[in-house]
Amino acid sequence: EVQLVESGGALVQPGGSLRLSCTASGFTFSSYWMSWVRQAPGKGLEWVANIKRDGSEKYYVDSVKGRFSISRDNAKNSLDLQMNSLRAEDTAVYHCATHEGRKFDYWGQGTLVTVSS
Amino acid sequence: QSALTQPRSVSGSPGQSVTISCTGTSSDVDYNYVSWYQQHPGKAPKLMIYDVSKRPSGVPDRFSGSKSGNTASLTISGLQDEDEADYYCCSLAGSYWAFGGGTKLTVL
Repeated sequence: EVQLVESGGALVQPGGSLRLSCTASGFTFSSYWMSWVRQAPGKGLEWVANIKRDGSEKYYVDSVKGRFSISRDNAKNSLDLQMNSLRAEDTAVYHCATHEGRKFDYWGQGTLVTVSS
Repeated sequence: QSALTQPRSVSGSPGQSVTISCTGTSSDVDYNYVSWYQQHPGKAPKLMIYDVSKRPSGVPDRFSGSKSGNTASLTISGLQDEDEADYYCCSLAGSYWAFGGGTKLTVL
């Protein structure tokens, strides 16, 4: 069974930093592109970033470029999102998802990031 | 402003069919890559349709997808109570993956 479990969400002040992690199991992690998708409270889904199977390519939505960094460790079946210079508008539940081909196949339950003073 | 526009809400009675539209507002949208996701409150999204009309294994054939011009559609036939959820379309829009704003389906 495919499982994606996010962790690391917390309350953080504006301008602060946070590192999210996603632990994968039940599939060959290194064979999949992976993405982070976020959902602000009561709002819709927003793709944040994705990373190629071997980590050699990374892409970001414009609003997080230069502030967020996606990375992965295929030996540990883990995906990370380093978030710096956090803003109130970054408040959301952050989901990790497999992103193979043109679809987000499997999703984690998400971890809540709240940016507030 | 998303590159994909969906109606905020649709409704239907059990057994009926409903269609949710997803219209591209940008010339960068690739309509061959449209996927659809179902999300129940407090749950993770679930892939329902990909590549416009393909169904992953395990998704009932009551769910179908299509496209015409710059509009993709998700049709749910034989509505059931458990279909009540939010539905999101998604596609590649230039250099990023765009989601529609979401449509709340109410089963009356």
